[in-house]
Formats: sequence, structure tokens, C-alpha cells
Amino acid sequence: DQQVKQNSPSLSVQEGRISILNCDYTNSMFDYFLWYKKYPAEGPTFLISISSIKDKNEDGRFTVFLNKSAKHLSLHIVPSQPGDSAVYFCAASKKTGANNLFFGTGTRLTVIP
Amino acid sequence: NAGVTQTPKFRVLKTGQSMTLLCAQDMNHEYMYWYRQDPGMGLRLIHYSVGEGTTAKGEVPDGYNVSRLKKQNFLLGLESAAPSQTSVYFCASSPRPRGSVYNEQFFGPGTRLTVL
Repeated sequence: DQQVKQNSPSLSVQEGRISILNCDYTNSMFDYFLWYKKYPAEGPTFLISISSIKDKNEDGRFTVFLNKSAKHLSLHIVPSQPGDSAVYFCAASKKTGANNLFFGTGTRLTVIP
Repeated sequence: NAGVTQTPKFRVLKTGQSMTLLCAQDMNHEYMYWYRQDPGMGLRLIHYSVGEGTTAKGEVPDGYNVSRLKKQNFLLGLESAAPSQTSVYFCASSPRPRGSVYNEQFFGPGTRLTVL
């Protein structure tokens, strides 16, 4: 049972435009959400996170929005750059336990120059 | 700092063979994790450890065993490999949480395992 879902396997965006990646979750016990970026043949690298007590977190070109009532979060990248082309994973964690992460299936972003 | 390293990078096994994947981290992290990534499935947690000498099961532990004899190392063993264990395996580590502060996990480069 997939508790974190990314329904768009792929997304293509023109350089300079906004990229919006979406993620939905089903478990209301999740209280921390993260986005990881993954290049081929490398491990995932942490990008940005948000606590459930917030609805927005911004870091440079990257902004994550959280809508708890809808159990939905999104990652906005603006402006998009060719180097942003990668697979993006949404992940969620519960405060209790060992900070185990539950991952979505990923969205492959391609930024077209 | 090397961060999280994994050995080997690639391996091909025959059904029934055994092997051990090694993960090492030099960040003095208390927590360590093993994940597998399959096409269309994202990353799934196999086993994890919250400290030296401790291990616990994750989402998909069947067919795997782990050991954490030293703080910096976390070993993943396959006693009798099956084709269903063909996957990319990622190790990760993180500091122990302090209060309500969440610490992200740091991942190794992965091991691509094929079981024939």
C-alpha cells in the first residue's frame, strides 16, 4: 500500500519556466516531508523539507507547499534550469520511530534548454 | 569526508548464492538504513539501525539480514539470493533526532545487484 504517491512519472518544462512537482500522502500521522533529487547512477540527495506545522518553505529557487487538509504537497522550481533535470522523490516521515522515510515513486523532470 | 560509501557498486549473483553488501559512513551518525529501489516502486526500507548493536525491520525485510557491529558500518546480507532481489540497493545514515528537529538522511551511491 503506497502511502506516498507521485502520480506524474515525468514532466518536461522549458528552461526559465516554473516546474511544479506534486505529491499526495494518505497517512495523517506523517509530520515531516522532504524532497530528494536523484541523478542517474547516484544516490538521492536532500533538496528541501517542510514540517507539518508550516504550509510553505522556501530555499532559493525551490519552494515546497504543504496542504494538510488535502494531504498534498508540491515542489516549485523557478526558474527551471537544465541542471535541474533529474528524478525527484517526495518522502514523508513520522515524528515517532527512527525517522524512517516513506518514498513516492518519483517524477522525472526534464528541463529543455 | 567521504560521506556514505557502498561496496560493491555492481554484482551479479546466481539464484541461491549469498553475498554481503557493505555500507560505511564517516559522519558519526547514529542511525543507518538500507533501502531497495525498483522500477515504479520508489525506495522501500528493508532494515534499519538506531545504534551500534541494534537492528530493526522495515517495510520489506524478508530474505535479508543485517548487522551493525560498528557504529560506522551497516551490513546487508542475502543468504540465498532470488531473482526478485534484483534491485538497486541504497544505504543511508542520519544523526539521532534531537527533540522535534528532524534530520535528513544522507544516501550512498547505490549497489546494482542482478540475480540470475
